Amino acid sequence: GNSVTQMEGPVTLSEEAFLTINCTYTATGYPSLFWYVQYPGEGLQLLLKATKADDKGSNKGFEATYRKETTSFHLEKGSVQVSDSAVYFCALSVTYSGAGSYQLTFGKGTKLSVIP
Amino acid sequence: KAGVTQTPRYLIKTRGQQVTLSCSPISGHRSVSWYQQTPGQGLQFLFEYFSETQRNKGNFPGRFSGRQFSNSRSEMNVSTLELGDSALYLCASSLVGQGDSPLHFGNGTRLTVT
Repeated sequence: GNSVTQMEGPVTLSEEAFLTINCTYTATGYPSLFWYVQYPGEGLQLLLKATKADDKGSNKGFEATYRKETTSFHLEKGSVQVSDSAVYFCALSVTYSGAGSYQLTFGKGTKLSVIP
Repeated sequence: KAGVTQTPRYLIKTRGQQVTLSCSPISGHRSVSWYQQTPGQGLQFLFEYFSETQRNKGNFPGRFSGRQFSNSRSEMNVSTLELGDSALYLCASSLVGQGDSPLHFGNGTRLTVT
């Protein structure tokens, strides 16, 4: 089956520190990979995505590269801000061609707190 | 463009009762998915609908059901509620429901079963 493993939190960083959140996956087929972010009291928002090997997704200073050889999609940001405090979820999707359906498989989430 | 709207935001129910949650997707989106979020299990896929047809279902008991209407709006129903059903239920819509198209989530319905 499909699964996503991401580093356990919580992660606490000082403002302007470098962020890495590790994510590895197992999947049948060729997945698309995503990072979603959830702010308190809200649903999930797409942060970035990559759909094939060596693609780099980027948004708001965050980056992640689809590494097929290591089945990884680590999230990085060079300088975090207090406003980046949230829970980050790594996810994959695989389309089931027979039914044409797809679903996201999520990691457990990593809570990030950034302190001034 | 309005986002995904879920109603109600909060629900408190008693064990044994049933509940219906509603979701209005982004205009033009034909795929609607439902996820259950709990601290212990994280985000788990419930089901996905496309053009009024359930295309995929997660590993949940038959007490969990859903449907999609011709205007793409969706409802999910949980019957005979159990304490373990307390969770945040998230609805998400997608334009075409394919593997590389992102999901757009609503803010969820917080269900508490007492």
